[in-house]
Amino acid sequence: DAKTTQPPSMDCAEGRAANLPCNHSTISGNEYVYWYRQIHSQGPQYIIHGLKNNETNEMASLIITEDRKSSTLILPHATLRDTAVYYCIVRTGTGANNLFFGTGTRLTVIP
Amino acid sequence: EAGVTQSPTHLIKTRGQQVTLRCSPISGHTSVYWYQQALGLGLQFLLWYDEGEERNRGNFPPRFSGRQFPNYSSELNVNALELEDSALYLCASSLRRLNEKLFFGSGTQLSVL
Repeated sequence: DAKTTQPPSMDCAEGRAANLPCNHSTISGNEYVYWYRQIHSQGPQYIIHGLKNNETNEMASLIITEDRKSSTLILPHATLRDTAVYYCIVRTGTGANNLFFGTGTRLTVIP
Repeated sequence: EAGVTQSPTHLIKTRGQQVTLRCSPISGHTSVYWYQQALGLGLQFLLWYDEGEERNRGNFPPRFSGRQFPNYSSELNVNALELEDSALYLCASSLRRLNEKLFFGSGTQLSVL
C-alpha cells in the first residue's frame, strides 16, 4: 500500500544543501507529510512534518507544493552524520492508521 | 529521560521455535507500534497498541501476535518461526494525540537458522 514514491538513492557534497524529493499524488486532504530518517542499524528518527504550509525546524525544512502532490525535504548544510535512509510517509494526524515507511531514499553525504 | 528500550538486542532461534520480544515505551506514552525490517528493505508495519488494546494490524499472519500491559510496555510474540522472519524488529512509542511523533527503539535483531 505504497502512498509515496522516493528515489532509491542520492549523493550530496558535505556542506551543500540536500534536497530529497517525495511524490504523494494520492494524498488526501487530511493527510500530513512526515519525514523520518534511519541511520545504519538504528531506529528511525523523526525529522519534520507538515500539512500544506512549509515548515522549518532545527533539523530541516519541508516544502510542500501547492497541490500537495509532492514535497521536498531540505537539509541546508549536509554533514557526514546526515548519511542515512530518509523516509517520506503520509498519514492522518490522529494516529489511527498504519504508518507505511516504504523503502526510502538512501542519502550519502560525500566529503 | 529514558528512550524506548527493547530487549533482547540480538537473538538466534531455529525454525519452528517461538520467540518473545519486549518493548518499554517512553514514560507517559500510551501507544506502542511494532515494525519488521528485513535486510535491505523498508519498515513493514506489524501492530499498533494503545491503552492495552490492539488498534491496528499489518498484513502479517496470525503467528505474529502481541499484547500491551497496564504499564504500557509491550511484547511481540512470533510462533513457528520461519527463515524469512529473520529481521530487525523495531518498537516505537508515542502519545495518543494529534500529530504525535513516533520515537523508536534500537530494535531486536532476530536471526532464524
